[in-house]
Amino acid sequence: QVQLQESGPGLVKPSETQSLTCTVSGYSISSGSYWGWIRQPPGKGLEWIGSIYHSGSTYYNPSLKSRVTISVDTSKNQFSLKLNSVTAADTAVYYCVRSGGSGSPFDSWGQGTLVTVSS
Amino acid sequence: EIVLTQSPGTLSLSPGERATLSCRASQSVSSSYLAWYQQKPGQAPRLLIYGASSRATGIPDRFSGSGSGTDFTLTISRLEPEDFAVYYCQQYGSSPPIFTFGPGTKVDIK
Repeated sequence: QVQLQESGPGLVKPSETQSLTCTVSGYSISSGSYWGWIRQPPGKGLEWIGSIYHSGSTYYNPSLKSRVTISVDTSKNQFSLKLNSVTAADTAVYYCVRSGGSGSPFDSWGQGTLVTVSS
Repeated sequence: EIVLTQSPGTLSLSPGERATLSCRASQSVSSSYLAWYQQKPGQAPRLLIYGASSRATGIPDRFSGSGSGTDFTLTISRLEPEDFAVYYCQQYGSSPPIFTFGPGTKVDIK
């Protein structure tokens, strides 16, 4: 069974770069699937940030594309999110997710990690 | 960009009742690429339905999905206490793999 676990700082200062890592267990990233990030501001809905294929091809939400980088490290079975120039509006619970393939929904989710943007 | 609208925003029902949740898309969505998720407080969302009508692994058969084109429905035939939660619909593309969520419907206890 695939398990995902987010890690990274819980507090980031405005204008800085937020970095999160998702460690995958029970499945090799190199085997395929799309790996992605979703966020949820407190008390609000879900927003897809972007996804990466194991080969490194990336797909981003157009509204965040200019500030987002998602990368994969198959040797560590991890993938990462960088979001630059953060503001208070980026405060959210960030989830890492897996979708089984092209045209597949998110079938596995991490537990989520709260990132607060504040000075 | 496809925009998803869910109604009602909140549905107040009693255990044992039937829940009908609506998801409407701003343009036609392939039925193959419409999903429903359940989220309970403090938890990550859980995939319930994919391909508009297929239940994900381990999902009870009281959950069913239907619809096509721009109108989709999630039905919970008889609400159990554990079903009171927020439900999101999602459209997912295949080429490129782009994802959009609806704003959610909260099902709470009447």
